[in-house]
Order: sequence, then structure tokens, then C-alpha cells
Amino acid sequence: DAKTTQPPSMDCAEGRAANLPCNHSTISGNEYVYWYRQIHSQGPQYIIHGLKNNETNEMASLIITEDRKSSTLILPHATLRDTAVYYCIVNQAGTALIFGKGTTLSVSS
Amino acid sequence: DAMVIQNPRYQVTQFGKPVTLSCSQTLNHNVMYWYQQKSSQAPKLLFHYYDKDFNNEADTPDNFQSRRPNTSFCFLDIRSPGLGDAAMYLCATSLNTGAYEQYFGPGTRLTVT
Repeated sequence: DAKTTQPPSMDCAEGRAANLPCNHSTISGNEYVYWYRQIHSQGPQYIIHGLKNNETNEMASLIITEDRKSSTLILPHATLRDTAVYYCIVNQAGTALIFGKGTTLSVSS
Repeated sequence: DAMVIQNPRYQVTQFGKPVTLSCSQTLNHNVMYWYQQKSSQAPKLLFHYYDKDFNNEADTPDNFQSRRPNTSFCFLDIRSPGLGDAAMYLCATSLNTGAYEQYFGPGTRLTVT
């Protein structure tokens, strides 16, 4: 079973920041937080991952709380093409990804 | 561009008729995965290969088999498809089994008639 809890849906206006929360209160010390997204009828796409520290790449930022029990994915300037299902996944390095239900993000103009 | 390729994108098979889905990669990754995604559900891992070592998930039905003849190719065989096997089948790769991201192909949508 997935070890994360995400809101089923969120809305965001185009150009604004999208902040997607994820709870993972049972995370272990050696487990990473991964974020993937899946645009309709496409395969999932890797976004970012982290262990303890906050991470940033060209797509997004990942903020992990100090106790590691929750995290937030930030899309700084959402566009219509960011409309997708966003999956937060917690797992140990080298083990299989277990997808939960994810958050459906709808970006509107 | 290096990528994960799945053929065909759409496959129709008859109830009970064996079907093979294929996946190829130009990334030279060691690990290849097969996921099943049913309508409105999250992807579910069926099995994966680390190089030639096959790793089956505990709840993957025996009806599903896989072959990896070389680094670049991996096949999913469904020996006797049932109506409940209609789904999107996703292939993914990763460089290794460490903290590496997985790269997914576009998927093959299987219809069973």
C-alpha cells in the first residue's frame, strides 16, 4: 500500500504557483520522497526527489519538513500543460515505486 | 533523443488469445519495469529486471510473464488474457536500483474482446 496521503484534487490559476502537499507520517530514515506526474493518456514523468534537504530543479521545488513527515511540491509558475495527476511516492532507494491515488491538478486560464 | 519506446500503442486481443507487448530503450539502463494501469487507477508494478535478474511482485498473476533477451528489449507476455486484463501497460527504465528516477514509455493500451 502507498505510504502517502494527498488531496484528491486541486485547482490553480495559470501563472500562479501550485503548491501540492503530501503527508508521509510513517516515513523511515532511509526512504526518499519522489514526485511523478501523469498527463492524460501518457506515461508518468519524473519530477523531483529528495531525502532530507529541499531540492530544486528546472521543473519544480521540493520542500520537506524537518521531521520529514510531510512535503510540498511547488510548481512556481503553473501553465495549462501542468494539468495532470501528481503522485507523491515514498520508498527506499532501489525498491519499486508504489503509486497512490495522487492529486489531480487542474490549471485554468 | 534517448527514450523508452513501446509497441504497439494500442493492442486488441481476444479473450484467451496470447498477446505480447514490447518495450525497448536507448538509455542503456540496467533496470526495466512493467506496470499495469487500469482505468482511473494508479500504476501497479508487475515485475522488473535488474540486468538479467527477474523480480516478480508477490501479487502478480501467473498469467503474466516477461522476457528480457538483451539490455535494450523487454517483453510482457499475457498467456491467456481475460477481460480484467484490459489496461494500459507501462514500461519504465532506471539506470540502477539506487535513488534513480524511472523513465516511462508512452504505454500500450490493451483491449480484450
